[in-house]
Amino acid sequence: EVQLVESGGGLVKPGGSLRLSCAASGFTFSSYSMNWVRQAPGKGLEWVSSISSSSSYIYYADSVKGRFTISRDNAKNSLYLQMNSLRAEDTAVYYCARESTIFPYYFDYWGQGTLVTVSS
Amino acid sequence: EIVMTQSPATLSVSPGERATLSCRASQSVSSNLAWYQQKPGQAPRLLIYGASTRATGIPARFSGSGSGTEFTLTISSLQSEDFAVYYCQQYNNWPLYSFGQGTKLEIK
Repeated sequence: EVQLVESGGGLVKPGGSLRLSCAASGFTFSSYSMNWVRQAPGKGLEWVSSISSSSSYIYYADSVKGRFTISRDNAKNSLYLQMNSLRAEDTAVYYCARESTIFPYYFDYWGQGTLVTVSS
Repeated sequence: EIVMTQSPATLSVSPGERATLSCRASQSVSSNLAWYQQKPGQAPRLLIYGASTRATGIPARFSGSGSGTEFTLTISSLQSEDFAVYYCQQYNNWPLYSFGQGTKLEIK
């Protein structure tokens, strides 16, 4: 069974940093591209970042470019999101999502999410 | 950027009836359109990809149609567990994915 479990969320002050993790199991993690998607309270879904299976290709939404860094450790079956210079508008539940195997890619499995609150 | 627009924002339907949700893209996305279901406090779940292909384990009462810029998700006979928020997503402009703002399907 595919499982994605996020952790690392919490309360942080504006300008602060936080590192999110996503632990994957039930599939060959190293064969899949992975993504972060966020959802502000009461709002819709917003794609944040994508990383290819070997970390060769990395993409960011304009709203986080230069502040967030996506990475992965295939030996540990883990995905990460380093978030710096956090703003109030970054407050959201952050989900990790697996990309499908066939291009063009959609998201076939999602984790339960971890809440990030940016507030003084 | 491809903007996805869903309508209506809220849809009130009685159990056992049919629900029809719409999604429009600001430019053609071919058939690269997915639908997700999200219940309160839960992660989104993939329902439909390729505009009309049901994901694994999704009941046959869920069907998707459309191509280009106009898409529809139909739930043929609503069950109690179907009341949720539904999102469409285009993935034609990979990796610059974009989602609609969601349609809340509520019990009438």
